[in-house]
Amino acid sequence: SQTIHQWPATLVQPVGSPLSLECTVEGTSNPNLYWYRQAAGRGLQLLFYSVGIGQISSEVPQNLSASRPQDRQFILSSKKLLLSDSGFYLCAWSVRPLIRSNEKLFFGSGTQLSVL
Amino acid sequence: AQSVAQPEDQVNVAEGNPLTVKCTYSVSGNPYLFWYVQYPNRGLQFLLKYITGDNLVKGSYGFEAEFNKSQTSFHLKKPSALVSDSALYFCAVRPSGSARQLTFGSGTQLTVLP
Repeated sequence: SQTIHQWPATLVQPVGSPLSLECTVEGTSNPNLYWYRQAAGRGLQLLFYSVGIGQISSEVPQNLSASRPQDRQFILSSKKLLLSDSGFYLCAWSVRPLIRSNEKLFFGSGTQLSVL
Repeated sequence: AQSVAQPEDQVNVAEGNPLTVKCTYSVSGNPYLFWYVQYPNRGLQFLLKYITGDNLVKGSYGFEAEFNKSQTSFHLKKPSALVSDSALYFCAVRPSGSARQLTFGSGTQLTVLP
């Protein structure tokens, strides 16, 4: 069966420090990979989307970047964190291609990031 | 651009009573509609989806949702609520043909009271 691992579960970082959140998927090949952010009182916002190694689409301008060095590995990074980067970050995957019968996302357990 | 509205931040219902969590959407073309649930200390999980066909969609844990095109709504329902249904529920929509444009609502906290 497929599993998705995301770490760390919680992270407290000072403003201006770097960030690296990692997500890996097991039990499937060639997944679509996603990074979402869930801010308090707001919906899930899609940050990045990847259909393959080295292929990253950014949905919103921001202080963050994403990379996909391997097929089932997705990394969210920042060189210098801002206060506004605080939030709950979720990694997700879906079957590729996303055809009608495979219409669902599978989410990781999330990382609560607090930037102080 | 599409959007999703969940007008209620909080819904309280007594155990055994029917529950409804509301969702309205705006999208160009035919919508694909989803409900996800986030239980405490657990990840976000897929609950059900509407792609096409019957307007009443049945999902996991006894939940169902009704697609109403004229009212652009996709309300989540359950005939008899359980305390274990207490969780954060998200509605999501995307236009057919574009995986990346999945838009989530702000979430509704459902509390089922014993």
